[in-house]
Amino acid sequence: SAVISQKPSRDICQRGTSLTIQCQVDSQVTMMFWYRQQPGQSLTLIATANQGSEATYESGFVIDKFPISRPNLTFSTLTVSNMSPEDSSIYLCSVTGTNTEAFFGQGTRLTVV
Amino acid sequence: GDSVTQMEGPVTLSEEAFLTINCTYTATGYPSLFWYVQYPGEGLQLLLKATKADDKGSNKGFEATYRKETTSFHLEKGSVQVSDSAVYFCALSTNFGNEKLTFGTGTRLTIIP
Repeated sequence: SAVISQKPSRDICQRGTSLTIQCQVDSQVTMMFWYRQQPGQSLTLIATANQGSEATYESGFVIDKFPISRPNLTFSTLTVSNMSPEDSSIYLCSVTGTNTEAFFGQGTRLTVV
Repeated sequence: GDSVTQMEGPVTLSEEAFLTINCTYTATGYPSLFWYVQYPGEGLQLLLKATKADDKGSNKGFEATYRKETTSFHLEKGSVQVSDSAVYFCALSTNFGNEKLTFGTGTRLTIIP
């Protein structure tokens, strides 16, 4: 199994500002993912964080809005840039274990005012 | 594209009642299917999975059978407990070895004593 520590757990931010969310895993993993869960909706994949190369973004998500870093096999950050109220969501980090099971952090609950 | 359609909630049942949460999917190829659960205040965790047609996943008294002919993966439990109160997510993956997940909308289950 993998234990994921995600910080911050919640934040309230002013519109126009940026927030960086950190994801730390207790073991080296190949695949790391960032998801968004908007209020009352399902989880949507934002991007795959690739170690040593640029993240791979899903349709509807762009690097300028959600820059991602992956400096090593245990750590990644997601930045939500130039925030608006529509960015209010729960953001989750996920990794894939050796048996293809996905593990999730507890999420970052973001409110933009 | 891939999609998961999940029974909408919230669902409220009495303790020891029979539970079914419906899940159907649309996917290219042969997806792996999952049920994830999110207990209050905790992160998402894998409940059970099935990787090929007619497989039955089971855990903690919950079961789901991969039905290719009906593209379904309904979650069942014969006798629910108060501790089963949580949000349940049906999900699929068609990227073996990558495990990007496509989620349903989630079903909030409340069990009353």
